[in-house]
Formats: sequence, C-alpha cells, structure tokens
Amino acid sequence: AQTVTQSQPEMSVQEAETVTLSCTYDTSENNYYLFWYKQPPSRQMILVIRQEAYKQQNATENRFSVNFQKAAKSFSLKISDSQLGDTAMYFCAFMNVPAPNFGNEKLTFGTGTRLTIIP
Amino acid sequence: DTEVTQTPKHLVMGMTNKKSLKCEQHMGHRAMYWYKQKAKKPPELMFVYSYEKLSINESVPSRFSPECPNSSLLNLHLHALQPEDSALYLCASSQLDLAPSGNTIYFGEGSWLTVV
Repeated sequence: AQTVTQSQPEMSVQEAETVTLSCTYDTSENNYYLFWYKQPPSRQMILVIRQEAYKQQNATENRFSVNFQKAAKSFSLKISDSQLGDTAMYFCAFMNVPAPNFGNEKLTFGTGTRLTIIP
Repeated sequence: DTEVTQTPKHLVMGMTNKKSLKCEQHMGHRAMYWYKQKAKKPPELMFVYSYEKLSINESVPSRFSPECPNSSLLNLHLHALQPEDSALYLCASSQLDLAPSGNTIYFGEGSWLTVV
C-alpha cells in the first residue's frame, strides 16, 4: 500500500515571499502520478499541479513548481511570490497508474499542510 | 473548463430521513467518485464509478447508496444516517484514458451534510 507523508502541519510566510511545502511517499510502483491540491476555506479541492513519475522534468504552473526526486520519493511544492489567496490547506496526493485497467484509480492523500500568507 | 457541480451545498437531515446528494459534470469524463472529508482530515474515498459501473466500494456502510444514472450524473442516496456521518461530501471526476490529463481527478465544491 502507498503512503504519503506531509511533515509540516502548519506553515506561515509573509506575502511575496517564497515557501516550500514538503511531501514524501512510499511505493513499490514505478509508474504513478503525484499531485498537489489546494483547499481554501471554501473547502473546494483545487488542483495545483501534477507530475508524471516517468518525466524527469519538474512540473511548473505559473508561480507553482515542484521538486520531484524519484529516487528519494520526495515531491515538494514551491510557491513563489506568495499571495493572500494562496492561504489554504495543501494536500499532496499519490495515484497509481493501473492501465490498462482504468477505473480503479485511487488518490492517496497526505494529512495536509495548512499554509497562511501574512499580509 | 474543469467543473463538477454538486447540489445541495448544505443539507441537514434527521436520522430517519432519506435524502440524496447530486453531482454533475459535462467534461465527458468517464469516471466519477464520492469522497468523504471530516474536519481537518484528508478526503477518504467511498465509491468509484467507471463507465457507469461501480468499480470500487471502499467498504462503505449500506446506509450510503451510490447511483450513476448516466455518464454525467452521480447520486449518493442517504438513509438512516448517524451523527458521525456529518461531513463534507466531495464528488469528483476524471477522464480515464492515456491523455495527459487522463488520470487527473477534478473535484466539486462539496456538499456539507449535518445529521441531527
């Protein structure tokens, strides 16, 4: 079974600064996906970024980027130029790729990191 | 447009009531999911439908009954719930293919359920 660990329950950073959220995972699989989801106080789960394990290049989405270290099973999220709207709970998540048996995808979530951006 | 719509946003029900949560997506996704989320916890998977067939049931009590009338709709029928079932219920969908976004799960805003 896969496990996802987020070791930082809470973090805070000044607006416009850069912050890095940590995530490690454990799996025996070689082919999988990793995600960061953001859940603001409104509680909608919003996809931030996605990384395919077979890709060596780190994914980026505007101010969000990841540092994917497959051998170390590490998947950290960097938020640059942080904004007040980035205040949220951030979940790291793991998904197997069960192809060709699509339909059995499961997301395994970490326990989350509550990030507060301070004005 | 990645949109999953859930209704109602809030629901209060008694332990003897029968109610339903509804979910709709128009992205052509062929997998739909129900997750349950308690306060300050990550979401927990309840059910997965793929191609309108139930593919995963995570040992959910029978007082929760899922239904997938067609590829765009997913319902969760609720009956004889307990106060501990009060939670945020999240619906989600994904495309189910090898496209770049095929295995990405997109979530709705959730339905807050309170059982009294």
